[in-house]
Parts: sequence; structure tokens; C-alpha cells
Amino acid sequence: GAGVSQSPRYKVAKRGQDVALRCDPISGHVSLFWYQQALGQGPEFLTYFQNEAQLDKSGLPSDRFFAERPEGSVSTLKIQRTQQEDSAVYLCASSLDLGTRDEQFFGPGTRLTVL
Amino acid sequence: DQQVKQNSPSLSVQEGRISILNCDYTNSMFDYFLWYKKYPAEGPTFLISISSIKDKNEDGRFTVFLNKSAKHLSLHIVPSQPGDSAVYFCAASANTGNQFYFGTGTSLTVIP
Repeated sequence: GAGVSQSPRYKVAKRGQDVALRCDPISGHVSLFWYQQALGQGPEFLTYFQNEAQLDKSGLPSDRFFAERPEGSVSTLKIQRTQQEDSAVYLCASSLDLGTRDEQFFGPGTRLTVL
Repeated sequence: DQQVKQNSPSLSVQEGRISILNCDYTNSMFDYFLWYKKYPAEGPTFLISISSIKDKNEDGRFTVFLNKSAKHLSLHIVPSQPGDSAVYFCAASANTGNQFYFGTGTSLTVIP
């Protein structure tokens, strides 16, 4: 299984709860991206890592969102004090090359529902 | 403001005919474009890409056309097959940035 994996696949959280979403990229992929996809919309960029360095976090909607990739492979997206508007599918993607010059391989996503 | 637009939310095509999916963009800095296909409960899967130095790229039944002056790209699928039924997203990026901008998707249904 050489694809991008994400866990959990589904997460239900009560408003105010903290959640952590995990992404396992394809081994050796330098770039890792997180996206948020609301119902009926396309994926929207959240943040970008090149190895362990978070080079762009301009898409994170608030300071409640935090992402890390400490060893340059697995990444975690954390959302603190979840709100109903955080309900969405969170997609992780990785690519072999730097930045956006290469196709991205997506995981299946984590569907977050905040009640 | 949506920088990549797919104005047709859905499209139905008879099996064997051509499917044409359209995408428009507003940012003239975009120089790399991709099409993704998405089945329910799965992540998007890469289909085909094109860089701005080309105006056409072909891969089997899939061809992407880029019209830079019109800021428009299209994906042609011929012949269409029932297994092509999915949501198709176009995405664009600029070499000065770190993100892809996605359209809202077009749901293609190929009728057997």
C-alpha cells in the first residue's frame, strides 16, 4: 500500500473539543499539503510542508488550527475548540517534488462533523 | 474570491460520446494546471496536467486544452465510459506560490 493514508476516516466531535487528524504521506515525498473541503466545494488550501518545514500556513482559517510534521514524514492537523463551521472533509496530499510543480497524491480524507 | 471556476456543476453524456468539462481562471500568474477525478468517499485522483508552455496534452482518452489568452482550459474525454462517472476538479498553481487553487467541481454522469 504505497498511497497516502489518513486517520481517522470519520470523526464526530462536540463543539469545543480538540481533535487531531493524522496523515501518512507516500514514503520519500518531500511536499505535504493539507486541504479543507466543505460540502459542494473544491479543496481549499490550508498549509504546506517541505520536509519538516512549514513553509506556508496562509490558508489556516484561525489560530485554532495547527499543523506539524516534525520528522518530515507523518503530519498531524490539530483543531482546538472545534466549532460547527469546522465541519468538513480534511484532505492530505503529498508530492515527490517541491511546491506545486508536480502532481499531488491525495489521501481519502477525514470527515469531521462538529455537533 | 474564486480564482478557478467550474461553472457547470453537472454534466450528463451518453456512453461513447465526448465529454467536455470546462474551467476558467482569473490569475494570469497561473502556469501549471491539473485535472483530478474524485469518486465518493475517496480522495481526488490525478488525471492529467498541462503547463503553460503547451496548449494541449493528451493521455489516452483524456486530452486537456489550454487557452491562455482566454484563461480557459477544458478536459475532453473520448469515448466516455460509465466508469468515468465522477466529480472532476480542475486546479491551478503559480510557480511563485505553494498552493493549488481548485474549482468547485463538475459531476459527470456517463449514461450506458
